[in-house]
Amino acid sequence: EIVLTQSPGTLSLSPGERATLSCRASQSVSGNYLAWYHQKPGQAPRLLIHGASSRATGIPDRFSGSGSGTDFTLTISRLEPEDFAVYYCQQYGSSPYTFGQGTKLEIK
Amino acid sequence: EVQLLESGGGLLQPGGSLRLSCAASGFTFSSYAMNWVRQAPGKGLEWVSGITDNDGVTDYADSVKGRFTISRDNSKNTLYLQMNSLRAEDTAIYYCAQGVYGSGWPNWGQGTLVTVSS
Repeated sequence: EIVLTQSPGTLSLSPGERATLSCRASQSVSGNYLAWYHQKPGQAPRLLIHGASSRATGIPDRFSGSGSGTDFTLTISRLEPEDFAVYYCQQYGSSPYTFGQGTKLEIK
Repeated sequence: EVQLLESGGGLLQPGGSLRLSCAASGFTFSSYAMNWVRQAPGKGLEWVSGITDNDGVTDYADSVKGRFTISRDNSKNTLYLQMNSLRAEDTAIYYCAQGVYGSGWPNWGQGTLVTVSS
């Protein structure tokens, strides 16, 4: 099983700032099939990035993903108020399809 | 518009059984893999089970293997999760999610809450 470790656990920033979230895998992610989601309270997760760096449909270009192998990063260039949420990475390249424990992005 | 609507959640005692359903619309259901993901109260996301599109090959997390069964009825555009021998630790919101090959899981339902408690 691939274990995904996200850091930091909590990130406190202000609107307009840049956010950098990290996801490290315990072994190489097959096909770089690494996705990022965010989840707001009471809502289902929403896909932001797939294939490590491809934005999902309708996702603004302030969201970008990078990385390969075992180290991946989600960057939000300029935070908007609606971006404050919990962010999860997921590998969907090999079963069991695992998620990271989440990074809470909160307003400073 | 893709829609996924879960149903069947509820409160039940340990050892009980429950069947969840996920009604799909807005896409060719038989052409996509489907998954169940759960989230315990205040916790993160956990993949539970998946099923391929037409051939229906199934897969399970170790935590539910032998107790849960995923299935699909492509004629009814519906995904199911039969849950037996339920435990307190199965308490969670259960989401169904559409899998798009190589492109992650872009569409999720709003979830159905399963509570296992005596």
